[in-house]
Amino acid sequence: GAVVSQHPSWVICKSGTSVKIECRSLDFQATTMFWYRQFPKQSLMLMATSNEGSKATYEQGVEKDKFLINHASLTLSTLTVTSAHPEDSSFYICSARLQGMETGNTIYFGEGSWLTVV
Amino acid sequence: QKEVEQNSGPLSVPEGAIASLNCTYSDRGSQSFFWYRQYSGKSPELIMFIYSNGDKEDGRFTAQLNKASQYVSLLIRDSQPSDSATYLCAAQTGNQFYFGTGTSLTVIP
Repeated sequence: GAVVSQHPSWVICKSGTSVKIECRSLDFQATTMFWYRQFPKQSLMLMATSNEGSKATYEQGVEKDKFLINHASLTLSTLTVTSAHPEDSSFYICSARLQGMETGNTIYFGEGSWLTVV
Repeated sequence: QKEVEQNSGPLSVPEGAIASLNCTYSDRGSQSFFWYRQYSGKSPELIMFIYSNGDKEDGRFTAQLNKASQYVSLLIRDSQPSDSATYLCAAQTGNQFYFGTGTSLTVIP
C-alpha cells in the first residue's frame, strides 16, 4: 500500500512551547490530508481536513489558532500545536487521501506522533 | 445518529475460529467502505476496502457489503492471537471519510 510518513514519532515539550508535526506522502501526491487526535483507549477524533494550497477545514470545537495546519505542497502537511499545555498530550495521527483508478479514494495513515507536554 | 456505527465489543473468539465484525452506516450516498486494524499504541493500517455489493476476499479476510441494508462486515477466518486489535470501519462519502469508534477483538490462544 501507499506510504505516509509522520515525524516525529515521539516528542516531549515544555508547557507553553510550540511543536510541529510533519506528515508526508512518500509515493503519491495527496491533495487532501487529515489530522486526528486519539486519547488512550478512545476512538479517533478528526481535528481538521487539510487541502493543498488552501486553508484547512477544522472540526467543531477544534481551535484553529492553537492547532495550525499548513499544506504547502502535494506531499507535505504540518500540524503545529502552539502554546502547548499538558492537556494537549495525546497521540496525533495524520492520513493522506490517495486517488486511484483501481482503488478509488483510499486513505492511508502515518505512524502517528506521541506528544507529551510537561 | 452517527455516520458509522460499530459495536465497541470487546469481542472474544478462540484461536482458529471465525471472527465477525459488523458496521452500519447512515448515508446511502456513501461510496466506498474500509476496514482498518489498529494495534494498541499504533496508528490504523488498511486491511481492505469494498465498494460493490457482495463479498470481497483477501487471504483470511472477507469484507461483505450490503448497500440495501447499509451494512458492512469483516470476517476473519482462522483467527490468530496476532489478530487481537481494534478494527475500525470507515465510509467514504464524497471527500469525507467517516470512522466508527472501532470494535475491540481478542483472539484467545
